Amino acid sequence: KQEVTQIPAALSVPEGENLVLNCSFTDSAIYNLQWFRQDPGKGLTSLLLIQSSQREQTSGRLNASLDKSSGRSTLYIAASQPGDSATYLCAVNTGRRALTFGSGTRLQVQP
Amino acid sequence: EAGVVQSPRYKIIEKKQPVAFWCNPISGHNTLYWYLQNLGQGPELLIRYENEEAVDDSQLPKDRFSAERLKGVDSTLKIQPAELGDSAVYLCASSQPGTGETDTQYFGPGTRLTVL
Repeated sequence: KQEVTQIPAALSVPEGENLVLNCSFTDSAIYNLQWFRQDPGKGLTSLLLIQSSQREQTSGRLNASLDKSSGRSTLYIAASQPGDSATYLCAVNTGRRALTFGSGTRLQVQP
Repeated sequence: EAGVVQSPRYKIIEKKQPVAFWCNPISGHNTLYWYLQNLGQGPELLIRYENEEAVDDSQLPKDRFSAERLKGVDSTLKIQPAELGDSAVYLCASSQPGTGETDTQYFGPGTRLTVL
């Protein structure tokens, strides 16, 4: 059974800092990996999707990497802003077309 | 383009009462998912539909939970009777038919259920 772990569970940083969120998964047979953002009381917004054949994806200040063989992904956020404060969820698609999620990293960016 | 619509947004009921949640997916999305999200956790799949057919309901507690997707569009998730432990956020998502590697799911805002 696929298990997804995210570290740290919570993170507080001053504005402008670069930061890295970590995600690990136990079964490397995945179709893709996605990073989502969830604001309090809201649904999930997809940030980046990395296919199993890809190593990284970039969108603006966000960069996600994937090392399938070691079962790891990182989400890099450059020059963090208070508006980045949210919970970030990592999810893997193992081909059942449903996602297995981690518990998330709750990020607080202090002005 | 409208996103995934869910209603109600919030529901408070007493235990042993029935409750139903409604979801309208993005137009043209054949696949519909219901997820359960407990506080401080990631969502967990309850059921997945391909058009009208429930193709994965292995995680749905069938003694009290039921779901339907009539005409392959809107879907309803029902709990009867509700228990205290059912308090959570119920998320609906939808996706287009894809290659698997590029499947992206689009989530609704969720229904927050509180069982007293």
